[in-house]
Amino acid sequence: EVQLIESGGGLVQPGGSLRLSCVASGFSLEQYAVHWVRQTPGKGLEWVSGISWKSGSLGYAESVLGRFTMTRDTAKTSIYLHMNSLRSEDTALYYCAKASRPLATISAFDVWGQGTVVTVSS
Amino acid sequence: EVVLTQSPATLSLSPGDRATLSCRASQSVRTSLAWYQQQPGQAPRLLIYDASNRATDIPARFSGTGSGTDFSLTISSLEPEDSAVYYCQQSSNWPPTFGPGTKLEIK
Repeated sequence: EVQLIESGGGLVQPGGSLRLSCVASGFSLEQYAVHWVRQTPGKGLEWVSGISWKSGSLGYAESVLGRFTMTRDTAKTSIYLHMNSLRSEDTALYYCAKASRPLATISAFDVWGQGTVVTVSS
Repeated sequence: EVVLTQSPATLSLSPGDRATLSCRASQSVRTSLAWYQQQPGQAPRLLIYDASNRATDIPARFSGTGSGTDFSLTISSLEPEDSAVYYCQQSSNWPPTFGPGTKLEIK
């Protein structure tokens, strides 16, 4: 079964840091890019960042550029979102999502995790 | 970036009705448009990709049309479980972007 499982969310103060994890199973991270998408009641769904094994980082949304970094592990089973200098507007439900098309830098997302909640508040 | 606009914001229909949801792009996205269904407390679920292709295990009552800037998602005969928020997403131009969603209520 193709699956993505996120973890690492929580409550953090403004200016703090957090690392989200996404464990992938049932497909090859060498073939499919994985992205982070966040959701807030006010702004809806927002793409955050993406990574592919071949190309590395696919980029970041302007709203997180310079503060968030996406990495992958050498075991080729997990990806991470390192979030620094967190702001209240980063409060959201963070999903990792699998690209629907192999080796594509941009595509639809055909598998989503259940999400992990990040709350930035003092 | 490409801005997607969805209409209507809310749609209230009865079981058996036909629903048509619209998504308009601020510039051409060719046929690189997807539709998602999100039910309360769940992650988005891919329904349609490349404007008109149903994703795996999606019932035939869901169909998508369009190209360029204007797209539609049609649900031919509504079931109670179709009550959800529906989002469009473009994958033509970087970065990928989503529409604000249409909330479909089944009376």
